[in-house]
Amino acid sequence: GAGVSQSPSNKVTEKGKDVELRCDPISGHTALYWYRQSLGQGLEFLIYFQGNSAPDKSGLPSDRFSAERTGGSVSTLTIQRTQQEDSAVYLCASSPDARTDQETQYFGPGTRLLVL
Amino acid sequence: DQQVKQNSPSLSVQEGRISILNCDYTNSMFDYFLWYKKYPAEGPTFLISISSIKDKNEDGRFTVFLNKSAKHLSLHIVPSQPGDSAVYFCAASAWASKLTFGTGTRLQVTL
Repeated sequence: GAGVSQSPSNKVTEKGKDVELRCDPISGHTALYWYRQSLGQGLEFLIYFQGNSAPDKSGLPSDRFSAERTGGSVSTLTIQRTQQEDSAVYLCASSPDARTDQETQYFGPGTRLLVL
Repeated sequence: DQQVKQNSPSLSVQEGRISILNCDYTNSMFDYFLWYKKYPAEGPTFLISISSIKDKNEDGRFTVFLNKSAKHLSLHIVPSQPGDSAVYFCAASAWASKLTFGTGTRLQVTL
């Protein structure tokens, strides 16, 4: 595809359930990033991948959050035992190569997660 | 600790006039700065960027200015158009790492 795609676009879940969010980066982009935007807040970094490895997981808010990337392409962000404060828009971005300085990140449309 | 700040939450400008959006940062390690535009229910769209070795970058109606000594950058939109109405985010990175975003400025271009 031409851009970053994310699925689902919207997700409503009950507190305590697990959710999986998916990101398909731009073809050929080796770097992939996850961010989230809570209501009334700016965008907050969660984790980034260079290939299949995650050099920086510093933004993951708790051990309920995990992410993986396989084949250097698709990534899934998993939130276990969801809490109401996890409600946010989860955004994925990709760039050609995180090891190259000054790479522009291109964002997907986001997944809107609501935890009831 | 807000490393990137956009102190104006909103801005209203008349169509045809100049829009100036401001951004301040505190981390001197930042070497790449970007502006993104965001419409409701969409992801941020890249607008324009500037490297720390430059003080100006222009792309059509959009110009970004960087003042490293003041740790300040600004985005100028000339002339402003109604379709420019959106939330604008300033972002910065240090050596190809995560982006640190400001909280955004909502621009309203009026007729």
